[in-house]
Amino acid sequence: AQRVTQPEKLLSVFKGAPVELKCNYSYSGSPELFWYVQYSRQRLQLLLRHISRESIKGFTADLNKGETSFHLKKPFAQEEDSAMYYCALSFRRDDMRFGAGTRLTVKP
Amino acid sequence: NAGVTQTPKFQVLKTGQSMTLQCAQDMNHNSMYWYRQDPGMGLRLIYYSASEGTTDKGEVPNGYNVSRLNKREFSLRLESAAPSQTSVYFCASRDGQANIEAFFGQGTRLTVV
Repeated sequence: AQRVTQPEKLLSVFKGAPVELKCNYSYSGSPELFWYVQYSRQRLQLLLRHISRESIKGFTADLNKGETSFHLKKPFAQEEDSAMYYCALSFRRDDMRFGAGTRLTVKP
Repeated sequence: NAGVTQTPKFQVLKTGQSMTLQCAQDMNHNSMYWYRQDPGMGLRLIYYSASEGTTDKGEVPNGYNVSRLNKREFSLRLESAAPSQTSVYFCASRDGQANIEAFFGQGTRLTVV
């Protein structure tokens, strides 16, 4: 079955430290992968999509088909990065599944 | 633009009551979704609709029904609410093309007592 796994429910780092949020997926076809972010009291919004290979707010994510992973990385975390992060997989007639989410806290 | 609008924002129901959560989008999107968000469980897909007139079950459809009334509107109905349905419900929409982002509503916080 198609599945998205985010193994860390909570992640805490200090400001300026590198951060990596893990995401693994299970899907035999060509995946469409996304990272969404939910800041406090705001709507869920797109952060990154794998097809764009872009850097947004200093975050990057690389699709590794061999390891079926799509980890989110940032070399220097900022306090404003504190939020809930969701990895998402889209497949087959627009079915779109999310992981359990990782709550990132960046301490001053 | 309003984007994706959900009503109501908050609701308290008694066990066994019924209610309908409304969702409307003004972006002319083909696909619409209903998710529930629970602590430690993330976002779980209840139902989705890839186009007007079609609906499909997601991960947790039991206890829910949906209606894609037209291209703009996608409603979620709880026929007989149970405490296990206490959750935050999110509606989302996106265009039907590949690798396109989804846009989310502000959520409905539902408590079933």
